[in-house]
Amino acid sequence: EAGVTQFPSHSVIEKGQTVTLRCDPISGHDNLYWYRRVMGKEIKFLLHFVKESKQDESGMPNNRFLAERTGGTYSTLKVQPAELEDSGVYFCASNRGYSYEQYFGPGTRLTVT
Amino acid sequence: DQQVKQNSPSLSVQEGRISILNCDYTNSMFDYFLWYKKYPAEGPTFLISISSIKDKNEDGRFTVFLNKSAKHLSLHIVPSQPGDSAVYFCAASPRGRAGGTSYGKLTFGQGTILTVHP
Repeated sequence: EAGVTQFPSHSVIEKGQTVTLRCDPISGHDNLYWYRRVMGKEIKFLLHFVKESKQDESGMPNNRFLAERTGGTYSTLKVQPAELEDSGVYFCASNRGYSYEQYFGPGTRLTVT
Repeated sequence: DQQVKQNSPSLSVQEGRISILNCDYTNSMFDYFLWYKKYPAEGPTFLISISSIKDKNEDGRFTVFLNKSAKHLSLHIVPSQPGDSAVYFCAASPRGRAGGTSYGKLTFGQGTILTVHP
């Protein structure tokens, strides 16, 4: 079974530009989560999809961040326009309903200069 | 407001000895606790978990202890091996919703860097 995959692995953009991160969850996993880790601090929750619906987006920093999961499969997280404080590692995770354990992807390291 | 705290940024242990990583939480709604291990340039990997109805869970060299009254949990690794060197994150989850829907977000601590010396 393939794990959670994320693309790209690393992105360097200038302040004000747009970046789109992609996550492909494990096949059959209805739940998809986005997290972010900034500057070696804790991993912080951003949002949670159940299939194509946003279950919880309480962790989204502001309206410059837009997450979608069309068709309930892969998800994208767009940052527009990017700011310096958006730099960090963005992780995607997935699991089935009724499961506490989440399976994480390798992350996308975003650097905004 | 940090609801899950790992107060030791780093821990250094000799191979073969015990590693003890600690975690404290403040939110009484947390019902399930997990430990994740993370190597550089990789995502966190699930290691072991414990439900709030238990006080101990063991899996091979890894044991997690939960003290609900103190809102404290710890991860014991015995014996420690050089390959255990990684960042360890404690995470907590709230109780699942009635009706069995998804369990939702994890709240993580800051992580503890464990170094096991040969």
